[in-house]
Amino acid sequence: QKEVEQDPGPLSVPEGAIVSLNCTYSNSAFQYFMWYRQYSRKGPELLMYTYSSGNKEDGRFTAQVDKSSKYISLFIRDSQPSDSATYLCAMSERNQGGKLIFGQGTELSVKP
Amino acid sequence: ETGVTQTPRHLVMGMTNKKSLKCEQHLGHNAMYWYKQSAKKPLELMFVYSLEERVENNSVPSRFSPECPNSSHLFLHLHTLQPEDSALYLCASSQEPGQGYEQYFGPGTRLTVT
Repeated sequence: QKEVEQDPGPLSVPEGAIVSLNCTYSNSAFQYFMWYRQYSRKGPELLMYTYSSGNKEDGRFTAQVDKSSKYISLFIRDSQPSDSATYLCAMSERNQGGKLIFGQGTELSVKP
Repeated sequence: ETGVTQTPRHLVMGMTNKKSLKCEQHLGHNAMYWYKQSAKKPLELMFVYSLEERVENNSVPSRFSPECPNSSHLFLHLHTLQPEDSALYLCASSQEPGQGYEQYFGPGTRLTVT
């Protein structure tokens, strides 16, 4: 079993749709939960991070962490064609020196 | 130059060649990382450096040899690679390893081993 599972997609939605991206994990010691966005031919960029459980909102993006279910989500409201990218979830244990464990990434396409 | 830069952006090398990948960060960070990104696979952490000292070697074959001469520069020396080593190699940096959840990535070097 992989430590972090993420549906690779591809996921195609119309502009304006609400997008839900998800990851499950098996390591209960994970404390930091991140979402990175990677455009084609670019490196990943940090979109959001959450420490422990709860929700975090930033503009059109909302990150949710449910540690009891070992499940994290990223919601994108009013999706735009510029949101078309691969979204990577990543996690780490506390005091693990930057050792991030990534999901496979979900490829998202938002059609105008 | 801003952020994290990597050179070259593309590299084709034979199995007997020796080449080096270069990474430079302009963010004043103290930690630097090498990752391997293969198609349809998660990013794999290869090496972590903190203040020029290697703090993590994630069971990487010896044909990959990292070097960190100072906190702004990171190299990955390659020799006698295999075709399965073809991938996108990403460099990243963070303020401190303990704050490694916020990593800034370069654009990567697309490596093809023939």
